[in-house]
Amino acid sequence: AQSVSQHNHHVILSEAASLELGCNYSYGGTVNLFWYVQYPGQHLQLLLKYFSGDPLVKGIKGFEAEFIKSKFSFNLRKPSVQWSDTAEYFCAVISLKAAGNKLTFGGGTRVLVKP
Amino acid sequence: DGGITQSPKYLFRKEGQNVTLSCEQNLNHDAMYWYRQDPGQGLRLIYYSQIVNDFQKGDIAEGYSVSREKKESFPLTVTSAQKNPTAFYLCASKTGLLTDTQYFGPGTRLTVL
Repeated sequence: AQSVSQHNHHVILSEAASLELGCNYSYGGTVNLFWYVQYPGQHLQLLLKYFSGDPLVKGIKGFEAEFIKSKFSFNLRKPSVQWSDTAEYFCAVISLKAAGNKLTFGGGTRVLVKP
Repeated sequence: DGGITQSPKYLFRKEGQNVTLSCEQNLNHDAMYWYRQDPGQGLRLIYYSQIVNDFQKGDIAEGYSVSREKKESFPLTVTSAQKNPTAFYLCASKTGLLTDTQYFGPGTRLTVL
């Protein structure tokens, strides 16, 4: 079955530390990839997305992600986190073979940044 | 906030009762989606609709029903047949273009007492 895996369920780190969240997917063929973020009490919102071109994608709030096709991965990074980055982060994938533009989400990673 | 409204924000239901969650969007999006969010499981697709008067089952449609009579509205009914309905429900919408982003509503937290 097609799936998206986020290996870290919880991450705790201090301000100014670097963050990397892993995401792997099992789809074959062409995919579109997304990272969404859910801040406490707020809507799920898009951080960044990859459709084609440069595999290093830059998003909002200093986040970036790298698509490595050979590893079926789309890891999210931020060089120096802030307390305001405390949130839950979701990786999501659309397979271009799938009907209905359906997103499949990973299980999410809760990130707590200590001030 | 993306033009998607969900109501109510919190909903309590007794076992055996059906309940309908509202989702309205003013973005003129063709496609609308319902997801269920549970801790550690991410978001799972319940139903989706790509066009008015048409909808498709997602990965966990059992115990749920939907309608799409208007472009801007996609209500979800949680029926008594849903075994574990307590969850956070998210509605989303997007244009018909594959490259466009899904926008999410604020969610409804349903608790079955």
